[in-house]
Amino acid sequence: GDSVTQMEGPVTLSEEAFLTINCTYTATGYPSLFWYVQYPGEGLQLLLKATKADDKGSNKGFEATYRKETTSFHLEKGSVQVSDSAVYFCALKGNTGFQKLVFGTGTRLLVSP
Amino acid sequence: DAGVTQSPTHLIKTRGQQVTLRCSPKSGHDTVSWYQQALGQGPQFIFQYYEEEERQRGNFPDRFSGHQYPNYSSELNVNALLLGDSALYLCASSPGDSPTDTQYFGPGTRLTVL
Repeated sequence: GDSVTQMEGPVTLSEEAFLTINCTYTATGYPSLFWYVQYPGEGLQLLLKATKADDKGSNKGFEATYRKETTSFHLEKGSVQVSDSAVYFCALKGNTGFQKLVFGTGTRLLVSP
Repeated sequence: DAGVTQSPTHLIKTRGQQVTLRCSPKSGHDTVSWYQQALGQGPQFIFQYYEEEERQRGNFPDRFSGHQYPNYSSELNVNALLLGDSALYLCASSPGDSPTDTQYFGPGTRLTVL
């Protein structure tokens, strides 16, 4: 079945550092790919998405490119802020059958001043 | 425009009891999905409702059931609660069933089973 693998956390960075969170997936065909963010005590918020190969999703300085050849969708940000501290989830939605999201286990990001 | 809303925010039950969680989707959305998020884990798909019918189900026992009303709001029912049912229950809505449609999540209901 479909699956998503994320790098384990926590990822600990200083403010203004460069962020990469790795995400790879296994799926049949061409899934849509998503990054969601979860702040403490809250639900999930969509951060960005990409729906076809080579698409780049971007939002609030975060970017991720849909790489079909490496089945990856790594999240990047050039300069993190303390307010970016949260748990980040990579997810996919297949293009066959009905549309459930399959999530990775999440990566906690801690940004210190 | 109100987003996805869920009630209650928190709930404490004892083993063997039954619980009902509620969800109102985002305006214009007709598809509702439910997920269970255990502590430190990613959300796991429970089931999805569309046009008042369960359309897809994840790997959850029959103790988990649901309902969707004509106004697209939805309920998740869990019978015979177990300690392992303690989790954050998330509702998500989407405007249709296209592969590219985004699911928007509510804040969740934190269920604690003692």
